[in-house]
Amino acid sequence: EDQVTQSPEALRLQEGESSSLNCSYTVSGLRGLFWYRQDPGKGPEFLFTLYSAGEEKEKERLKATLTKKESFLHITAPKPEDSATYLCAVPGSGGGADGLTFGKGTHLIIQP
Amino acid sequence: DVKVTQSSRYLVKRTGEKVFLECVQDMDHENMFWYRQDPGLGLRLIYFSYDVKMKEKGDIPEGYSVSREKKERFSLILESASTNQTSMYLCASSFLGQGAFRSNEQFFGPGTRLTVL
Repeated sequence: EDQVTQSPEALRLQEGESSSLNCSYTVSGLRGLFWYRQDPGKGPEFLFTLYSAGEEKEKERLKATLTKKESFLHITAPKPEDSATYLCAVPGSGGGADGLTFGKGTHLIIQP
Repeated sequence: DVKVTQSSRYLVKRTGEKVFLECVQDMDHENMFWYRQDPGLGLRLIYFSYDVKMKEKGDIPEGYSVSREKKERFSLILESASTNQTSMYLCASSFLGQGAFRSNEQFFGPGTRLTVL
């Protein structure tokens, strides 16, 4: 059974204080790992897709990396507007149109 | 920009009512999905569809059915709503993946918060 575990559950940082969020996964045959941002009361917003160990993607203050067992979302010099819940997810191993298995998310708060 | 729209942001229904949640995407995506999101449980897959009139059960299909008559539209049906179906319902869509090698990112709608009294 595919599993995705995110840590920490919640993280409070000061503005400008860099940190990393972790996503550990267990899946037979990785077909991609996805990161999303979710604001309260809204649908998840797509951030990154990673397919291979060693791959990295960047967007503004965020950088996602991937190994064979986990992914990290690094946030550099965060601002209060980066406060959100960050979700990672993996698709099923069946191929085609499988749905995503999500982690429970990391609730990130950036204090001014 | 990918646009996934859902028919209602908030919905209140009574136990036993038949409920329809509608989702429309404008990106010509083959795949469409319905999830529900609950505190402490995260997002869980209810049903998905990879083509018109095709549907596959997800992890928690009990008490739900779906309909996909047109490529751009995917409906979730609660045949007889119950209080344990009170939740945030999220629709998503994506292009078809490349078989066993890679899956494509899904784009989500704004969600429908359903309350069943």
